[in-house]
Amino acid sequence: QSVLTQPPSVSAAPGQKVTISCSGSSSNIGNNYVSWYQQLPGAAPKLLIYENNRRPSGIPDRFSGSKSGASATLGITGLQTGDEADYYCGTWDSSLNAGVFGGGTKLTVL
Amino acid sequence: QVQLQESGPGLVKPSGTLSLTCAVSGGSISSSHWWSWVRQPPGKGLEWIGEIYHIGSTNYNPSLKSRVTISVDKPKNQFSLKLNSVTAADTAVYYCATSWPLDYWGQGTLVSVSS
Repeated sequence: QSVLTQPPSVSAAPGQKVTISCSGSSSNIGNNYVSWYQQLPGAAPKLLIYENNRRPSGIPDRFSGSKSGASATLGITGLQTGDEADYYCGTWDSSLNAGVFGGGTKLTVL
Repeated sequence: QVQLQESGPGLVKPSGTLSLTCAVSGGSISSSHWWSWVRQPPGKGLEWIGEIYHIGSTNYNPSLKSRVTISVDKPKNQFSLKLNSVTAADTAVYYCATSWPLDYWGQGTLVSVSS
């Protein structure tokens, strides 16, 4: 059972927009920065979003992040088949004094 | 740009100790990064194991804390993971990464626990 809660799967058609939610508590998302990771099949995870809504160099602006209270959201616009991957949210939990992840969301681009 | 490379045995016997090393290149282990280990059982999600700062400060996942030790070797510019009393449930791909956020990752190494 993951500390952060994500939907197991989401799907949308090419060119459309999708959002992935990540729910936590005041000890983690509520008081710490959220980051998002993309894991393509057979590859290591890759940082997509950090500090709730910032994109590392090289990440297209089709990817966006937001946070409200103890929840965070990853948005992907202009979906491409190459976006099919598992997406994870992560943050620090101040009560556990440990890093925590969501269970992951599998994105299918129909 | 920091690059990370995991190494270690791919097979460990039950009740034994899993030992992995992460070599850091393109940067110093004594930089401002914390250095993390993350694992992923086959077909499952990511689990953060713990992290270390170059002065030796550590943080561990409470669920693994009793079995985990993370250490740093400054002369070799690397850090290591030891997980003792392993069982089949510890079979996973183990990644090293910088933290937090986890912006640089190694490619991962599969460690199987089996007799």
